[in-house]
Amino acid sequence: GESVGLHLPTLSVQEGDNSIINCAYSNSASDYFIWYKQESGKGPQFIIDIRSNMDKRQGQRVTVLLNKTVKHLSLQIAATQPGDSAVYFCAETEPPNAGNMLTFGGGTRLMVKP
Amino acid sequence: DVKVTQSSRYLVKRTGEKVFLECVQDMDHENMFWYRQDPGLGLRLIYFSYDVKMKEKGDIPEGYSVSREKKERFSLILESASTNQTSMYLCASRYAGLGYEQYFGPGTRLTVT
Repeated sequence: GESVGLHLPTLSVQEGDNSIINCAYSNSASDYFIWYKQESGKGPQFIIDIRSNMDKRQGQRVTVLLNKTVKHLSLQIAATQPGDSAVYFCAETEPPNAGNMLTFGGGTRLMVKP
Repeated sequence: DVKVTQSSRYLVKRTGEKVFLECVQDMDHENMFWYRQDPGLGLRLIYFSYDVKMKEKGDIPEGYSVSREKKERFSLILESASTNQTSMYLCASRYAGLGYEQYFGPGTRLTVT
């Protein structure tokens, strides 16, 4: 079936560097994407979202890029900090669908070295 | 801020026991969801609820049931717990009319021995 996946299960970066976390999706009808951050012992927390009519969206220190041609999504974190260490999930949905459900990727662990 | 709370952070139950996991949200959200999270498998949807007294099966409903008697509360029930139900259980809610973002609780780590 359709799925959302990630290229890299673990990413290690130096504090202060930029981080790029990638996600591939297979459902060409997906038109809404979310990035979540999950710190140890906590539930996933919303970071940023993007709709398919956009290629790029920026937040505070984060940017999401969407390439619909190759069905690829990335999360860029500028000046990575120790507090950014977490597992990051992408999720997608194809509205309208029953319950507006999200399909989640497997997650990438970001480790920030001091 | 949206707050989703789950009744327990850690739970240990024996095989065959009936287990209740409770989730409460305080933002009058219509939709609520139960997921389980396992290493390498990501988040998998067990059940969701459009609104009070409404429920729909997700991807892995076998061995689970749910109850939504009040809008703010969504319960996950393991009728007869088994060891393969040892997992992290996450509850989420969302407002039906705006966006697709789901707000998650802190999770319940259930161990079935």
